[in-house]
Amino acid sequence: GENVEQHPSTLSVQEGDSAVIKCTYSDSASNYFPWYKQELGKGPQLIIDIRSNVGEKKDQRIAVTLNKTAKHFSLHITETQPEDSAVYFCAASIGSQGNLIFGKGTKLSVKP
Amino acid sequence: DAGITQSPRHKVTETGTPVTLRCHQTENHRYMYWYRQDPGHGLRLIHYSYGVKDTDKGEVSDGYSVSRSKTEDFLLTLESATSSQTSVYFCASRDRDYGYTFGSGTRLTVV
Repeated sequence: GENVEQHPSTLSVQEGDSAVIKCTYSDSASNYFPWYKQELGKGPQLIIDIRSNVGEKKDQRIAVTLNKTAKHFSLHITETQPEDSAVYFCAASIGSQGNLIFGKGTKLSVKP
Repeated sequence: DAGITQSPRHKVTETGTPVTLRCHQTENHRYMYWYRQDPGHGLRLIHYSYGVKDTDKGEVSDGYSVSRSKTEDFLLTLESATSSQTSVYFCASRDRDYGYTFGSGTRLTVV
C-alpha cells in the first residue's frame, strides 16, 4: 500500500547549523506534500507545504524541495534555533479524497 | 488550535467500557479525521469523514466507530476499550485544498 518513509528518526544539531529531513513516498499520484511541527503536548501544526507543480518553496528559514521523478521531498531549516526543537512530520496526499499519509516523524534537537 | 477543539483532553477508563471522544470545529470544513499517535508509529488514520453522515475507514479502524451528524462534530467511539487502545488521539479537519488543522489531542489510558 501507500507509504511515506522519513529519515532520520532523530537529529541533533548545534544552534546556527542547518537541519535537513528527507521523505520518500510510494504513490506517484500524490500531489500535495505538507510538513508539520509538533511541540511537546500539542497537536501538529502545518509549517510549510508544496504542491507537485512546484520544485521548491521557501518561507524565511524554512524551505521544502520536491523531486517528483525520484518521489522524494525534503525539509531544510537554516540557522536553527533552540525553539526549532520539536518532532517534524512529513506527509503525502493519497487517493481521490486527498487524505494524508504521514511519515513516522523526526525528533529534532537544537543544542544552544 | 483555534477553530478545532477536542474533549476530553485526558481520560482514564477501564478495559471493556465504552468511550466516546469528541471533536468540534468551527471552520465549516468538509473533511474531518481521527488519528492515533503512538511511539514509533507516527500518526495513523483511524476513520475519516468527507461530509455529514459520510465516513470511511482508515488503516487502523478495528475496534473503533465514528459518527458525524453535523458538519462541526465528529465523534470517535471505542465500543469496548482495550489496553492496546491506550494512545494519544488527534482530530483534524480540512477544507478541500488546504492542509489539515489539528486539535490538541486526547490522551486516553485504558487500565
